[in-house]
Amino acid sequence: AQSVTQLGSHVSVSEGALVLLRCNYSSSVPPYLFWYVQYPNQGLQLLLKYTTGATLVKGINGFEAEFKKSETSFHLTKPSAHMSDAAEYFCAVSGSGSARQLTFGSGTQLTVLP
Amino acid sequence: DVKVTQSSRYLVKRTGEKVFLECVQDMDHENMFWYRQDPGLGLRLIYFSYDVKMKEKGDIPEGYSVSREKKERFSLILESASTNQTSMYLCASSSPAGRGTYEQYFGPGTRLTVT
Repeated sequence: AQSVTQLGSHVSVSEGALVLLRCNYSSSVPPYLFWYVQYPNQGLQLLLKYTTGATLVKGINGFEAEFKKSETSFHLTKPSAHMSDAAEYFCAVSGSGSARQLTFGSGTQLTVLP
Repeated sequence: DVKVTQSSRYLVKRTGEKVFLECVQDMDHENMFWYRQDPGLGLRLIYFSYDVKMKEKGDIPEGYSVSREKKERFSLILESASTNQTSMYLCASSSPAGRGTYEQYFGPGTRLTVT
């Protein structure tokens, strides 16, 4: 079975500061890992994904994440926060079921302070 | 551009009503999913389908059923709506195992209120 833990349901950063959103996972199979972003009253949009190969993956809007197998982590970072980054962020891991369905974390609400 | 559409953005229903939520995708994806999203609980999988007329229960199927008569359309049915089914409902689709990297594409969501 898969599970995802996102540390911190709410994170606040100042504009221009580093963004770090934490995600730890457990998986019974080699994981595919994802970060999604959700703006108010919208669906989820894929930010980035790790499948195989390079462990540092770059996504849209300047975000990146590093897959660390030994730590079972896939933390999301951005060097400099922008006001438009304020949103809810979800980490997800793929399972081994018939549709390789995803298991999502409970989400982290990012607030960017002026 | 990939697209998943949901029939309603906002819906208000009364307790005991039968409710249909429709989802359509134009990406020729085999897999389709229904989630509900509640504050602090993230997304929870209700049902999914990996082929036409094929369906499997997710983590919280009680009180729900689904229908998939055509590849592009996946419907969620609340047989008798209850107030604890007030939630945001999200539909998603993905390529099948072995033909993609399993990322899911989401619709805009339906915010259902049951009074």
